[in-house]
Amino acid sequence: AQSVAQPEDQVNVAEGNPLTVKCTYSVSGNPYLFWYVQYPNRGLQFLLKYITGDNLVKGSYGFEAEFNKSQTSFHLKKPSALVSDSALYFCAVRPHSGYALNFGKGTSLLVTP
Amino acid sequence: GAGVSQSPSNKVTEKGKDVELRCDPISGHTALYWYRQSLGQGLEFLIYFQGNSAPDKSGLPSDRFSAERTGGSVSTLTIQRTQQEDSAVYLCASSLAPYRGRGNTEAFFGQGTRLTVV
Repeated sequence: AQSVAQPEDQVNVAEGNPLTVKCTYSVSGNPYLFWYVQYPNRGLQFLLKYITGDNLVKGSYGFEAEFNKSQTSFHLKKPSALVSDSALYFCAVRPHSGYALNFGKGTSLLVTP
Repeated sequence: GAGVSQSPSNKVTEKGKDVELRCDPISGHTALYWYRQSLGQGLEFLIYFQGNSAPDKSGLPSDRFSAERTGGSVSTLTIQRTQQEDSAVYLCASSLAPYRGRGNTEAFFGQGTRLTVV
């Protein structure tokens, strides 16, 4: 089965500190991995996606994600968190033989001043 | 418009009534997806359309749920005889066809329809 796991329901970080939101995946073959962000009462916004061969992927709003094949992880990172980064973050995988995105349960990020 | 458009943005209905939710995808996107997001839950896949192919309905939770896509563009999700457990945010997304080496094609989401069944 193709799936993703986000082990943390909530991540708290102080403004200016680095942040990491964790995601692990379970797929056969090369994975298609994505990160989305959802602000309150809004739809999902695409942040970034894994590009084959690039272990560090850069995306919108200063976010980046580190792909680690041996650990089957695709953690979202940002060097310096902003209060405005507070939102719900979803990791997603598209099966190699499929098309629909399978989403993790989401991680709520709270950045405090 | 440039993005995925969903209507209505909010819908309150009485238990037992039928509702229709509309999705207008990004022009040129042949793939269309419906998801459901319940309070405190992740996104639950409902149905997928790709061009003129038969849709993948494997995520529809019951036979009260149906969806169609007319002319390969606008889609309507219909819920018959609504129940309180149907209350959720229904999200629509569209993308380019995610096959033929384009598995990393991202999907773009609409703002969602918040359905409340009372």
